[in-house]
Amino acid sequence: GQQVMQIPQYQHVQEGEDFTTYCNSSTTLSNIQWYKQRPGGHPVFLIQLVKSGEVKKQKRLTFQFGEAKKNSSLHITATQTTDVGTYFCAGGVGGFKTIFGAGTRLFVKA
Amino acid sequence: SQTIHQWPATLVQPVGSPLSLECTVEGTSNPNLYWYRQAAGRGLQLLFYSVGIGQISSEVPQNLSASRPQDRQFILSSKKLLLSDSGFYLCAWRTSGGAADTQYFGPGTRLTVL
Repeated sequence: GQQVMQIPQYQHVQEGEDFTTYCNSSTTLSNIQWYKQRPGGHPVFLIQLVKSGEVKKQKRLTFQFGEAKKNSSLHITATQTTDVGTYFCAGGVGGFKTIFGAGTRLFVKA
Repeated sequence: SQTIHQWPATLVQPVGSPLSLECTVEGTSNPNLYWYRQAAGRGLQLLFYSVGIGQISSEVPQNLSASRPQDRQFILSSKKLLLSDSGFYLCAWRTSGGAADTQYFGPGTRLTVL
């Protein structure tokens, strides 16, 4: 079946270091979404990318959607302790379902 | 604005007991509704989704069931809980139609089966 692989599973960084998480799909996606889940909380929508090669920025966060619409990345510049949490990508595959990646858990050491 | 409610927030149940978790959405009509389960430190497992009243699609065969008795109400049930049913249960909604697949999650229910 359709899968969205996300790496790494965990990432420990020192505050101020950069962080990147990657998603790869086995099939072409109609769009990709990114969510953040704080420890003990629920996933919160961050952004959706739709166009091939699209790049969007939210302050220190940069989101990219690959040209083939099969991969995506989230890059955080100069991490802060408030960035701690799990970041999920989710691929739109048409219809009613969204395929979630397993998430990357980010730990930031002050 | 739209809001999504889930209750209870936490639940501790013995093995073999029944379960009923409720999710309601406000501020939107005819949403697509979803139930996910998240094991501790893991990803999201889609359990059920619904595109309308009485319409339920099951993704994972197990001892859980779902119902949608009203447009903005989604219920997750079990007749007899198993230890493996422990987890964080999340309800989510999405607008029906359109290009946006964005899902909005409720606060979740933490279920511990002992």
